Amino acid sequence: EVQLVESGGGLAQPGGSLRLSCEVSGFSFNTYEMNWVRQAPGKGLEWVSYISSNGSTKFYADSVKGRFTISRDNAKNSLYLQLNSLRAEDTAVYYCARVRPPGYYMDVWGKGTTVTVSS
Amino acid sequence: SYELTQPPSVSVLLGQTASITCSGDKLAEKDVSWYQQKPGQSPVVVLYQDRKRPSGIPERFSGSNSGNTATLTISGTQAMDEADYYCQAWDRSGVFGGGTKLTVL
Repeated sequence: EVQLVESGGGLAQPGGSLRLSCEVSGFSFNTYEMNWVRQAPGKGLEWVSYISSNGSTKFYADSVKGRFTISRDNAKNSLYLQLNSLRAEDTAVYYCARVRPPGYYMDVWGKGTTVTVSS
Repeated sequence: SYELTQPPSVSVLLGQTASITCSGDKLAEKDVSWYQQKPGQSPVVVLYQDRKRPSGIPERFSGSNSGNTATLTISGTQAMDEADYYCQAWDRSGVFGGGTKLTVL
C-alpha cells in the first residue's frame, strides 16, 4: 500500500524553527518528485515547495523562499521540510504529496501534520 | 505571479450537473488538475491533465480546458460529491485556485 506519513509538527514561537518529515512506503521513492502543500485553518490549499527525484532541483513559493528548505533522503525513503524564521501566517496543516508527470499533479497525499506558530 | 480564480461556492440539485470554473491567463496552455477535499480529510485528485480521471474516480467527473478557463463538470451529482474543489496548475511553481465549496441541495 502506498503511504505518506508526515510528522514533526507542533507549537513553535515566532522566529522559531521546526523540521517536518514525510516517511513514504509502498513505492520506489527515489523515482518520484515530491511536493509540500499547506492549508491554513479554514483556508485553501497553498503549494509550498517541490523537489526532484534526485534532490537536485528545488522550487519554493515566494511566501517561504529563504526561510524554508526542502530536502530528501532516498536511502531512508524520507522527505523533509525545514521551517525557519516562522511567522504566525505559517500556521497550517502541512501535507506531503507525490508528484506525477506529465502535468505535475499530486496523486498521493499524506494525512498532514499541524504547525502552530504562536507566542 | 500566476493566479487561478474559482467561484467561492456553487450549488447544485441532487442528480443535476454541477460546473466549477477555474480561470487563469492562457490557462489552456497548461495542464490543470482538480482536487476534491472533504472536511477533515486530505485532498484527492479527481482529474489531471485537464480531463483524465485517475483509477477509482467515477465517470461522472469530467473536465475541459480552453482559452483562459478550465471547467470541472460533475454529471448526476450525488450527495457524496459535496466537498471543496481546487484547481491546480504549474507555472514555474505550483498554483492552486482559491477553492470552490460545492453544496448539493
